[in-house]
Amino acid sequence: KQEVTQIPAALSVPEGENLVLNCSFTDSAIYNLQWFRQDPGKGLTSLLLIQSSQREQTSGRLNASLDKSSGRSTLYIAASQPGDSATYLCAVIIRGAQKLVFGQGTRLTINP
Amino acid sequence: DTAVSQTPKYLVTQMGNDKSIKCEQNLGHDTMYWYKQDSKKFLKIMFSYNNKELIINETVPNRFSPKSPDKAHLNLHINSLELGDSAVYFCASSQARGAQAGPQHFGDGTRLSIL
Repeated sequence: KQEVTQIPAALSVPEGENLVLNCSFTDSAIYNLQWFRQDPGKGLTSLLLIQSSQREQTSGRLNASLDKSSGRSTLYIAASQPGDSATYLCAVIIRGAQKLVFGQGTRLTINP
Repeated sequence: DTAVSQTPKYLVTQMGNDKSIKCEQNLGHDTMYWYKQDSKKFLKIMFSYNNKELIINETVPNRFSPKSPDKAHLNLHINSLELGDSAVYFCASSQARGAQAGPQHFGDGTRLSIL
């Protein structure tokens, strides 16, 4: 059974710092991994999608990496801003089952 | 211009009632999903449809019945509501599925509260 874990559960950093969020999954048989952000009272916004054959994806200040063999992904946020405050979730699509399995998220707070 | 829209946004109702949540996407995607986010904010898939055909049905009570009249709509009907059904329900869509799936796009959620 695929399990997705995100550490830490919560993170608070001063504005301007670079930071890394971690995601691990137990079964490497995945199609892809996706990072989302969720703002309070809102739905999820897709940030980056990494196919199983890829090592990383970049979008603006965000960079996501994938190491399928070790079951790990990281989301790197450069030069953090207060507007980056949100809950960040990672999810994998299980090969064969075709469903997204989510981690429980990291609640990020950027302090001005 | 909303890509995935759900109605209603809030739903407060009595235990035992039957209610429906509607979802529409204007992205031209052929796969749609229903997720449940519980009080601990954990998101779990409930159903998935591809071109109106059910492809994922997780271990969900049969009081929950999805219906897809066309590939742009996926509605969720819930019979005999129970206290444990209180949660936020999210609709999502993606182009294709499995290995070919693109990013999933989510609606803003329907907050269901059972009194």
